[in-house]
Amino acid sequence: DAGVTQSPTHLIKTRGQQVTLRCSPKSGHDTVSWYQQALGQGPQFIFQYYEEEERQRGNFPDRFSGHQFPNYSSELNVNALLLGDSALYLCASSDLRKDTQYFGPGTRLTVL
Amino acid sequence: EDQVTQSPEALRLQEGESSSLNCSYTVSGLRGLFWYRQDPGKGPEFLFTLYSAGEEKEKERLKATLTKKESFLHITAPKPEDSATYLCAVTTSGTYKYIFGTGTRLKVLA
Repeated sequence: DAGVTQSPTHLIKTRGQQVTLRCSPKSGHDTVSWYQQALGQGPQFIFQYYEEEERQRGNFPDRFSGHQFPNYSSELNVNALLLGDSALYLCASSDLRKDTQYFGPGTRLTVL
Repeated sequence: EDQVTQSPEALRLQEGESSSLNCSYTVSGLRGLFWYRQDPGKGPEFLFTLYSAGEEKEKERLKATLTKKESFLHITAPKPEDSATYLCAVTTSGTYKYIFGTGTRLKVLA
């Protein structure tokens, strides 16, 4: 049973560029959440998608946007990258009927 | 404001030396509390979900407990492979997001 997968593993961008990160949920899961984790910190909630709609959003600017596809996979887009966007971006999937979220391995984004 | 605080920030144990990690929370309407293990540069690995005060869950050398204000992760006779950062998170009524603490970095020495 495949777990949550994310791509790419690592990414280096320069300030002002745009980036797209991808996530495939665990088999049987229909909900995808995205988190940003800075070094030495706990993950911070960006948003959650269910039925291709953004269901809840955390305290992140509009530069952060997302999408969920009919097969439940998801993308996170970040525009106008800032140095402070450098972090580990985590995708988590869950079943709507249950609370527990299962995390992928993350994408390490470095902004130069 | 909902808040999760973990202590200690870092902990060094000798192999076999049991100890406990603390997660205290100040939230409105706790719905669930979650423990994860995270290795450097990796995604968090799910350990336990707790819903009610008095609830306990066990897995190998780990045992999680929950009260109305805090949760403990007890590690019995730890081994070097238990070295990791342990994260605590909560969800509250009416929301879907996890609120995480900053974690406890555990190092177990052989």
